[in-house]
Amino acid sequence: AQSVTQLGSHVSVSEGALVLLRCNYSSSVPPYLFWYVQYPNQGLQLLLKYTSAATLVKGINGFEAEFKKSETSFHLTKPSAHMSDAAEYFCAVASGGYQKVTFGTGTKLQVIP
Amino acid sequence: DAMVIQNPRYQVTQFGKPVTLSCSQTLNHNVMYWYQQKSSQAPKLLFHYYDKDFNNEADTPDNFQSRRPNTSFCFLDIRSPGLGDAAMYLCATLLGGRTDTQYFGPGTRLTVL
Repeated sequence: AQSVTQLGSHVSVSEGALVLLRCNYSSSVPPYLFWYVQYPNQGLQLLLKYTSAATLVKGINGFEAEFKKSETSFHLTKPSAHMSDAAEYFCAVASGGYQKVTFGTGTKLQVIP
Repeated sequence: DAMVIQNPRYQVTQFGKPVTLSCSQTLNHNVMYWYQQKSSQAPKLLFHYYDKDFNNEADTPDNFQSRRPNTSFCFLDIRSPGLGDAAMYLCATLLGGRTDTQYFGPGTRLTVL
């Protein structure tokens, strides 16, 4: 079975500071990994995905993530936080012949002015 | 233009009264998913359709059923809602490949009185 673990259910950063949201995966096969963002009372929006091409993946809104096989990690980063980045972020791993996605427990990002 | 539409956005039902949630898509995707997301938790996959093939998750309660009459529409039926079924229900679609992107609807928030 594949799974992801998100470290830190809540993360607070100052506006303009680095954003780092941590995700570790467990997979018996090369994983396909995703980061989604969810704003209150809305659905999930894909930020970026890793599908075994480049290990550094760039996404929307200035986010990027690096796949590190040796560390089984797929951490999400953004150099400078904006107030609009305040949301919940989910790391996810896909399994099956077509996507059956297993989500992590989420990290709520708070951006302090 | 909205690509995955869920109606209604908010639904209130009574304990034990059947309720149906609706999802439609304009993407002509092959796969449609239903997720349940309880407060401050990760989305949990209930079932999905690949075209007309129905795939139920092993731990999805029998109280939850789904119908997909055509490519565009998918319904979630909760036969006898309990208080524990109060949640956000998310519909998502996928073209069909493992590396494709899932598109989520805005969700329906179900309240059970």
